[in-house]
Amino acid sequence: AQKVTQAQTEISVVEKEDVTLDCVYETRDTTYYLFWYKQPPSGELVFLIRRNSFDEQNEISGRYSWNFQKSTSSFNFTITASQVVDSAVYFCALSEGSSGGYQKVTFGTGTKLQVIP
Amino acid sequence: EAQVTQNPRYLITVTGKKLTVTCSQNMNHEYMSWYRQDPGLGLRQIYYSMNVEVTDKGDVPEGYKVSRKEKRNFPLILESPSPNQTSLYFCASSLSVTGMGGYTFGSGTRLTVV
Repeated sequence: AQKVTQAQTEISVVEKEDVTLDCVYETRDTTYYLFWYKQPPSGELVFLIRRNSFDEQNEISGRYSWNFQKSTSSFNFTITASQVVDSAVYFCALSEGSSGGYQKVTFGTGTKLQVIP
Repeated sequence: EAQVTQNPRYLITVTGKKLTVTCSQNMNHEYMSWYRQDPGLGLRQIYYSMNVEVTDKGDVPEGYKVSRKEKRNFPLILESPSPNQTSLYFCASSLSVTGMGGYTFGSGTRLTVV
């Protein structure tokens, strides 16, 4: 069964600090997809990134970067020079099941990030 | 505007009174799914649909039904709601079953069952 673990329940940082949010996953499939979502205090879910299991290249988008390591089953998310607007709950998610033609999605329990001005 | 529309946004109901939460997307997406969000538990998938007339159970399907008669609509039905179904519900859609382009979420429906 697939599983996503976000061990950090809450993190507080001071503005401009860098912060890394951890995500560890479990799956038996060789083909799967990993996602990160942001949920600001307003409640909507905002898509940040999708990565397939065959692409281990790290990705950078502005102040955001993602480190995907299959060897450790991790897909960590780093925010550089954090800002107050980054305060939100961040979810990591795993989608698998392409071999069977179905696609279940499992989310982690989320990490609440508070950026203090 | 490309979006997923859920209705209603808020609903208070009594135990046992059947209700339907509607979900509609205007992006011609193949994949749609329902989640519930509870404190400390993250989002848990209830049901998903890969295309019209193709649905399957997620991790927490008990007490829920869905149907996908048209590509754009994916209603969530609670035949006999109970207090443990009090939760924040999200509908989502994506272009493909693999989540290409990410899953687009609706604004959520906060359901309270008393």
